[in-house]
Amino acid sequence: DAGVTQSPTHLIKTRGQQVTLRCSPKSGHDTVSWYQQALGQGPQFIFQYYEEEERQRGNFPDRFSGHQFPNYSSELNVNALLLGDSALYLCASTLVGTGSTTGELFFGEGSRLTVL
Amino acid sequence: GNSVTQMEGPVTLSEEAFLTINCTYTATGYPSLFWYVQYPGEGLQLLLKATKADDKGSNKGFEATYRKETTSFHLEKGSVQVSDSAVYFCALNQGGKLIFGQGTELSVKP
Repeated sequence: DAGVTQSPTHLIKTRGQQVTLRCSPKSGHDTVSWYQQALGQGPQFIFQYYEEEERQRGNFPDRFSGHQFPNYSSELNVNALLLGDSALYLCASTLVGTGSTTGELFFGEGSRLTVL
Repeated sequence: GNSVTQMEGPVTLSEEAFLTINCTYTATGYPSLFWYVQYPGEGLQLLLKATKADDKGSNKGFEATYRKETTSFHLEKGSVQVSDSAVYFCALNQGGKLIFGQGTELSVKP
């Protein structure tokens, strides 16, 4: 049973560039959430996708956008990269029937983005 | 708004020592509470959870009790091992999204 998989694992970009991160949820899950984890900090919620729509959004600018595909996989796009966007980006999945009430999420290992 | 506060780390213990990592929360209502663990180079894994007041979550020798009177969810383990070295995150569920504390790094020495 494959867990949550993310790609790429590491990437380096320069300021002003754009980046796309990808996530495949755990088998049987239909809801994907993205979190940003800065060094030494706890993860911060970016947004959540269910039924190919953004259902919730955290306090992140419009430069952060996403997409969910019919197979439940998801992408996170960040435009006009800033130095402060350097972080570990975590994807988490759940089955909406359980996730919305218990909050139990399954996390991938993350994509580490470095902006120079 | 809802928030989670954890004791600052790093916490350094000798093997077989008793562990407590404090966690307090501010929330409307009674959200589900969680401890997640992040081992070096890995993603977050759910360690334990409690969904209502006075519930005790437990796993791998770790325990935490949901205390609404003190709005706390402290993590405890009676005898830590070197393999427990990791970063521990306390979190609460706010309508399907998790709000995390800043994490507490635990280092266990042989």
